[in-house]
Amino acid sequence: AQSVTQLDSQVPVFEEAPVELRCNYSSSVSVYLFWYVQYPNQGLQLLLKYLSGSTLVKGINGFEAEFNKSQTSFHLRKPSVHISDTAEYFCAVKGDDKIIFGKGTRLHILP
Amino acid sequence: SQTIHQWPATLVQPVGSPLSLECTVEGTSNPNLYWYRQAAGRGLQLLFYSVGIGQISSEVPQNLSASRPQDRQFILSSKKLLLSDSGFYLCAWSVGGVVLTFGAGSRLTVL
Repeated sequence: AQSVTQLDSQVPVFEEAPVELRCNYSSSVSVYLFWYVQYPNQGLQLLLKYLSGSTLVKGINGFEAEFNKSQTSFHLRKPSVHISDTAEYFCAVKGDDKIIFGKGTRLHILP
Repeated sequence: SQTIHQWPATLVQPVGSPLSLECTVEGTSNPNLYWYRQAAGRGLQLLFYSVGIGQISSEVPQNLSASRPQDRQFILSSKKLLLSDSGFYLCAWSVGGVVLTFGAGSRLTVL
């Protein structure tokens, strides 16, 4: 079985500042890892994914994440956020047929 | 191209009434299909997933059920709704069981 923990329910950050959204997972098998984003009043869309290979993966809108197997983490980062990044971000893990999501982190961009 | 349809978009139902939410996928065959529920502060909770016709795996014991009568059709049902069933229900599909594509969601309010 697998599980996902997003350590922060809300993260406030000033516009143009860097941000890191934390995600830790547990699984008894090899995993695929994902970040999804949900903009206000919209559905979820894929931001980026780690399937294999390079542990640093780049996604849309300038986001990137690093897979750290020893720390079982997959933290999401962006060097400079914009007001349009206001959204809820979900980390997800797939170990078998199931895809399990974390509880989400709301990113608040402060002017 | 692949599309996913989910209906109804919104639904207001009294406690004890039945429920049927439908999801269909176009442009692909033999997808994995998923039902998630999104409730405030609880992230996305996996309810059911299906890897083929008639094959349903339940993740959360409750008064909901799911069926897959056709390859690209996934139905979420209840015989008697509870107040706690209120939420935003999302259908999703994947081919190869990796990246999820979500529908627009169905918002259920139980009064």
